[in-house]
Amino acid sequence: AQSVTQPDIHITVSEGASLELRCNYSYGATPYLFWYVQSPGQGLQLLLKYFSGDTLVQGIKGFEAEFKRSQSSFNLRKPSVHWSDAAEYFCAVGLSGSARQLTFGSGTQLTVLP
Amino acid sequence: GAGVSQSPSNKVTEKGKDVELRCDPISGHTALYWYRQRLGQGLEFLIYFQGNSAPDKSGLPSDRFSAERTGESVSTLTIQRTQQEDSAVYLCASSEALGVPYEQYFGPGTRLTVT
Repeated sequence: AQSVTQPDIHITVSEGASLELRCNYSYGATPYLFWYVQSPGQGLQLLLKYFSGDTLVQGIKGFEAEFKRSQSSFNLRKPSVHWSDAAEYFCAVGLSGSARQLTFGSGTQLTVLP
Repeated sequence: GAGVSQSPSNKVTEKGKDVELRCDPISGHTALYWYRQRLGQGLEFLIYFQGNSAPDKSGLPSDRFSAERTGESVSTLTIQRTQQEDSAVYLCASSEALGVPYEQYFGPGTRLTVT
């Protein structure tokens, strides 16, 4: 069965610093990959997604992610973090053509220090 | 346009009571999903609807859980005889069609606390 691992439960960075959130997946084929952000009291918002093609994808709010097939990874990055980026981030995988759900990682809580 | 809405936003109930959680998807979205998010954990898939039909109910954690959808719109998730382990945030999502790559749009969730 497919699985998603986010090894970092909690990350703290200073405002203006760079950020990388890790995501590894376990699946036999190349899945569709997603990053969602969840702010307190809010629903999940899609940051970016990878389906095929260029392995570096750009998303909203200045985020990007790179798909590395050899490492089964899809890490999320941002060059300069803003205080408003403090939230919980979820990586998710889905199967092409599958009617079923996305499989989510357990999330990484991001704290931004002033 | 309006996003996915869920009600109530918070629900506190006593163990053994039944609860109903409501989801209003984005108008025109044919697919609807329910997830559960326990504290400190990722999202756990429960059930999806294509139109008013739920072809696969295997994600529901027990027979105390049921869901329905009417008019290809509103969906309700019902939990009977609630237990403390049912305490979680229940999230609903909708998409214009079923499955990947159609984007799922999430509601704000219903936080259920069973005392």
